[in-house]
Amino acid sequence: QVQLVESGGGVVQPGRSLRLSCAASGFSFSTFGMHWVRQAPGKGLEWMAFIWFDGREKYYADSVKGRVSISRDNSKNTLYLQMNSLRAEDTAVYYCARDLYGSGPLGYWGQGTLVTVSS
Amino acid sequence: EIVLTQSPGTLSLSPGERATLSCRASQSVGSSYLAWFQQKPGQAPRLLIYGASTRATGIPDRFSGSGSGTDFTLTISRLEPEDFAVYYCQQYGNSQRTFGQGTKVEIK
Repeated sequence: QVQLVESGGGVVQPGRSLRLSCAASGFSFSTFGMHWVRQAPGKGLEWMAFIWFDGREKYYADSVKGRVSISRDNSKNTLYLQMNSLRAEDTAVYYCARDLYGSGPLGYWGQGTLVTVSS
Repeated sequence: EIVLTQSPGTLSLSPGERATLSCRASQSVGSSYLAWFQQKPGQAPRLLIYGASTRATGIPDRFSGSGSGTDFTLTISRLEPEDFAVYYCQQYGNSQRTFGQGTKVEIK
């Protein structure tokens, strides 16, 4: 069964950087595009970034472009999100998700990892 | 970036009633690349509908989706107690995928 497990969250000071990971199992990771989605406390879902199955193409929401970077290591079945210059408004649960099929809807989600930006 | 606007913000209904949720896009969502998700407190979102009207695996047939272009609807024919949750639409026809702001379906 498809499993996505995020890690790397925690409390981080404003202005610092953080890298989140998403370990994938139960499917052929190297054949699916992957996403990061976040949700601030009590707020809605915000799509952040997408990476092609082979990592050649990456797309970002305008709100985070330039401050975050999505990447993947298909040899380790792992997705990453590098976040820089963190702000209080980046406090959120961060989810990784997999397309249901190529360029399809987000069909599988991890349980999320909480990032709190606070001094 | 395509902006999705959901209405109403909150829907107060009783179990057994019909729920109708709307999602309007700022520009046409190509080939009906529109999905609906359900989210309950403390849980990850769950895919309900994709391609505007196709139910995902395991989704009960009381959930149905319709629409095309810029106007889409999620209908829950008879609300069950477990259906009270927040619902989001999302477009995936554009490389910058976007979500609507959500509609909360609460018990009246």
